Amino acid sequence: AQSVTQPDIHITVSEGASLELRCNYSYGATPYLFWYVQSPGQGLQLLLKYFSGDTLVQGIKGFEAEFKRSQSSFNLRKPSVHWSDAAEYFCAVVPNTGTASKLTFGTGTRLQVTL
Amino acid sequence: DTEVTQTPKHLVMGMTNKKSLKCEQHMGHRAMYWYKQKAKKPPELMFVYSYEKLSINESVPSRFSPECPNSSLLNLHLHALQPEDSALYLCASSQERPGADTQYFGPGTRLTVL
Repeated sequence: AQSVTQPDIHITVSEGASLELRCNYSYGATPYLFWYVQSPGQGLQLLLKYFSGDTLVQGIKGFEAEFKRSQSSFNLRKPSVHWSDAAEYFCAVVPNTGTASKLTFGTGTRLQVTL
Repeated sequence: DTEVTQTPKHLVMGMTNKKSLKCEQHMGHRAMYWYKQKAKKPPELMFVYSYEKLSINESVPSRFSPECPNSSLLNLHLHALQPEDSALYLCASSQERPGADTQYFGPGTRLTVL
């Protein structure tokens, strides 16, 4: 079955530490891949996306993600976390089937940042 | 500019009320979406409009009625809701390019049904 998985429900890191949030997908063909961030009670903000090309993608707020086809993964990274990065992070995919886009979200990872 | 606006920010309604949520974008996008998000859960797709026509209805109860008056505006009419319908309602828009399309979200409307 097609799915997108975020194995970590909750992660806590210290401010200034590095961060990696995991995302794995299970689709026949490589889907289009996205990371969104949601602050409490707010809408979703697009951090970055991968459609094709360079497998290391740069996004906003100092985030980057690396697409690894062999591992069916699209992990999000940040070298130094700021307290304002505390939020819910969603990995999302759209199947690469040529049909109208239907975004499927992972279950999310809640990031807590300690000072 | 990648802004999607939603009004109101908060809405409290009784089970017999009729209310509407509004969403607007001026990015020239031709697809617009309604999502429902319960606490600590990812958004769930409700409806998709493509070129002002309803293209996807994810088996949403008829007490939710979407409307797309023009390419910039999307409404969600609410009637006879239940307390379990309390949630954050998110609107999104995209260019409507099959597959390689990016959805941009509004800030949401926090709905409470009493």
